[in-house]
This record gives sequence, C-alpha cells and structure tokens, in this order.
Amino acid sequence: QQPVQSPQAVILREGEDAVINCSSSKALYSVHWYRQKHGEAPVFLMILLKGGEQKGHEKISASFNEKKQQSSLYLTASQLSYSGTYFCGTAGSGNTGKLIFGQGTTLQVKP
Amino acid sequence: DAGITQSPRHKVTETGTPVTLRCHQTENHRYMYWYRQDPGHGLRLIHYSYGVKDTDKGEVSDGYSVSRSKTEDFLLTLESATSSQTSVYFCAVRALGEGEQFFGPGTRLTVL
Repeated sequence: QQPVQSPQAVILREGEDAVINCSSSKALYSVHWYRQKHGEAPVFLMILLKGGEQKGHEKISASFNEKKQQSSLYLTASQLSYSGTYFCGTAGSGNTGKLIFGQGTTLQVKP
Repeated sequence: DAGITQSPRHKVTETGTPVTLRCHQTENHRYMYWYRQDPGHGLRLIHYSYGVKDTDKGEVSDGYSVSRSKTEDFLLTLESATSSQTSVYFCAVRALGEGEQFFGPGTRLTVL
C-alpha cells in the first residue's frame, strides 16, 4: 500500500533538471510532496488534489495523473539548496488527512 | 513552523520502561498526527487525533497509545519500550487550507 517512488537516489549538477515519480496501487484523492534535509523535519512543498490543476512555484512543479494513480515532481535548473530527501504522501477519500508516505528519493545537487 | 514544539528532543531509555512524548501546538489545529521515521521506511503513521479525546490508529499503532485532553497537546506513550521502537518521532498538524501537514522538529528516541 506504500506508494513507490523512483528513482531512489539521483545526483545532479547545478542547473540540471530532475523528475521524481510517485506511484500508488490505490485510488488517490490527493498527493502531498515534502522535502527533508538531514537532521531536520520534513517541509511541505505542495499538494495536488483530484481534479485539481498542476501546481508549482519557482522552479519546482508537480503533476497528478488520477487515472494512473501517479504523481511526478519536477525540479528545474536545480540549485544546491534543492538537495535533500523528497517524499510523496498519498491520501485516499475521506477527511482524516491520513497520509501514506513513499520511501523517499534522495537528491544531491553538486556544484 | 506552524507553532509546533516537541519534547523531549532527545531521549535514551531502557527496554521495558514507559516513555511519553509530547507535541504542543499554538494555532488551534483540529487534526494532529504522530509518525515514526526509520531508514528505508519513510514516515509511518502511528496514531492521529481529530479533536479533543478523539483519536484513531494509524498503520503502525501496536505498542503505542495516545491521548489528547486539550486541543494544543497530543501525547504519545510507549507503555513498555522495546528496542524496535528506537526511531525519530515526528508530530504533525493539518492546516485548514487544502490539508497540508506541518511537522514539528522531531524527537530522537533510543531504547537500549
């Protein structure tokens, strides 16, 4: 039931692009994306709702394909500050807000 | 940071002892969550609360109990700690907007 993220790890040079995928075997109502730096708490990036629009801010955006039960996070022209572990959290219908998180994707951006 | 604090931030205890972790929030959020984070497993939901005295189980609730007697406090108790409960514990609250969750700073618990 845990969503599967791919790739597990990626190494980039500054300015390169990356895509992180999140795939679920269950029907999804929403997908949440978080970034966590080592030793810190996860930080909310964005949420995508069923029937909603693709979201993004600055050079980070995401899409949600409800039929395929998949979401993708796009990082454009990566910066050193983008390094960290990215988690997707998925929610089914209902109003509890319960999230099931993927195992994470570690992103390292090098100068 | 959504006004979330966790205490203690670090704790070392012995197998078989009871442990209580506290999550405190200052913004009157209705929903609160306890997660544990272990290498290779990501974040897993232990218990959550949808109001004062209203709680429910998450995916890894065995060995844990929770209580919420006030809106601002959500307590996680390990009745008899085991080494498998060594982990980093995060508390989170759910915002009113689209349901995004904001996390506290975490508590690192080591059970010897």
